[in-house]
Amino acid sequence: GAGVSQSPSNKVTEKGKDVELRCDPISGHTALYWYRQSLGQGLEFLIYFQGNSAPDKSGLPSDRFSAERTGGSVSTLTIQRTQQEDSAVYLCASSLGKAGGQETQYFGPGTRLLVL
Amino acid sequence: AQSVSQHNHHVILSEAASLELGCNYSYGGTVNLFWYVQYPGQHLQLLLKYFSGDPLVKGIKGFEAEFIKSKFSFNLRKPSVQWSDTAEYFCAVASNTGKLIFGQGTTLQVKP
Repeated sequence: GAGVSQSPSNKVTEKGKDVELRCDPISGHTALYWYRQSLGQGLEFLIYFQGNSAPDKSGLPSDRFSAERTGGSVSTLTIQRTQQEDSAVYLCASSLGKAGGQETQYFGPGTRLLVL
Repeated sequence: AQSVSQHNHHVILSEAASLELGCNYSYGGTVNLFWYVQYPGQHLQLLLKYFSGDPLVKGIKGFEAEFIKSKFSFNLRKPSVQWSDTAEYFCAVASNTGKLIFGQGTTLQVKP
């Protein structure tokens, strides 16, 4: 079946612009996670959704970052007024959402963001 | 604070050599441990996981890991590596919500 998909696969933007990154989870997965992978920081958690709610936003690095999920499916991560330090690969993952920390997360291919 | 530490950042082995990648964690709650792998040009995927029961867990492609509670460790092993095992390996601990806290990753290069 279809896996997690993300778009765009690559995004180049200028400092100060806003960007939107999209994630389509596996159908039926109620849990959705965003992570960021960068050279200096490794893989970092950003935000967790259960359905349309985000009970854990603790990893969002600043108020320039926000995310939403609609219809319990697609999620959008928005970065406002991008900075060069936002350059990274943004990964989305989904899981069934029934067994919490014991579940396997299925990752998408990521969006590679470059802020010039 | 929750953290995961991987001691080997870059490992180079010849085919048929044995592999052991170290992982230590610091976490106060119920421990759910994972190894994920990222092959060149591919998505992160699960190798194996542990949350209870037999502390020696087996995963895909001949990998196994042993949970040693007293040492806060979850080391990954494979008796004989292949060139196709060249990849980046991540150890992670999950919170009750599933939030993954990753180690810094280990790049494994297997020479044919």
